[in-house]
Amino acid sequence: SYELTQPPSVSVSPGQTASIICSGDNLGNKYVCWYQQKPGQSPVLVIYQDSKRPSGIPERFSGSNSGNTATLTISGTQAMDEADYYCQAWDSSWVFGGGTKLTVL
Amino acid sequence: QVQLQESGPGLVKPSETLSLTCTVSGGSMTNFYWSWIRQPPGKGLQYIGQIYYSGSTNYYPSLKSRVTISVDTSKNQFSLQLRSVTAADTAVFYCARVTSRDSGLADAFDIWGQGTMVTVSS
Repeated sequence: SYELTQPPSVSVSPGQTASIICSGDNLGNKYVCWYQQKPGQSPVLVIYQDSKRPSGIPERFSGSNSGNTATLTISGTQAMDEADYYCQAWDSSWVFGGGTKLTVL
Repeated sequence: QVQLQESGPGLVKPSETLSLTCTVSGGSMTNFYWSWIRQPPGKGLQYIGQIYYSGSTNYYPSLKSRVTISVDTSKNQFSLQLRSVTAADTAVFYCARVTSRDSGLADAFDIWGQGTMVTVSS
């Protein structure tokens, strides 16, 4: 079965750029979504179709996807961005990555 | 705006069937997919399955033998049945709306319910 791999954790200082990667075989040939989940809350879609932002998502969130790796980039990271982030792609069914805990410190 | 609300028992006995309903308010189910996702305590998201408003389904392979998802557009609801549950099925269960691209393929989970905790225990 298809797998998406994410680092368990990423740390970033406030105001700096955070990059969260998601790896999978030929992932660049698939569309990738990214979700943000804060403790005790439901996930929120922050990126779809690799790089598109839903209405209401700040411009500091961006995405890219090429080869075997998709990347979620948060520019000028704020304390409010501290959360778990999950990538997702379709391969005969939906697959989620294991999630990355972003710590802003 | 569109809102989703999960409902169903919070406690299910081992070997029995877990049944949940998601009620869609503020919008139509037409032209969307509708999905169930679960999250075991302290763990990541796991896709369970989805149903198109017209009734076609897709299930996660490892759960396919135990899962049925159905839709009732007249009630603006879709439902999940997970059979022969064990403690490993204990999780927060989310329902979500799935948008579709111009091609008709499922695209992204844009609206989520608040989630409901289901514990499997005798």
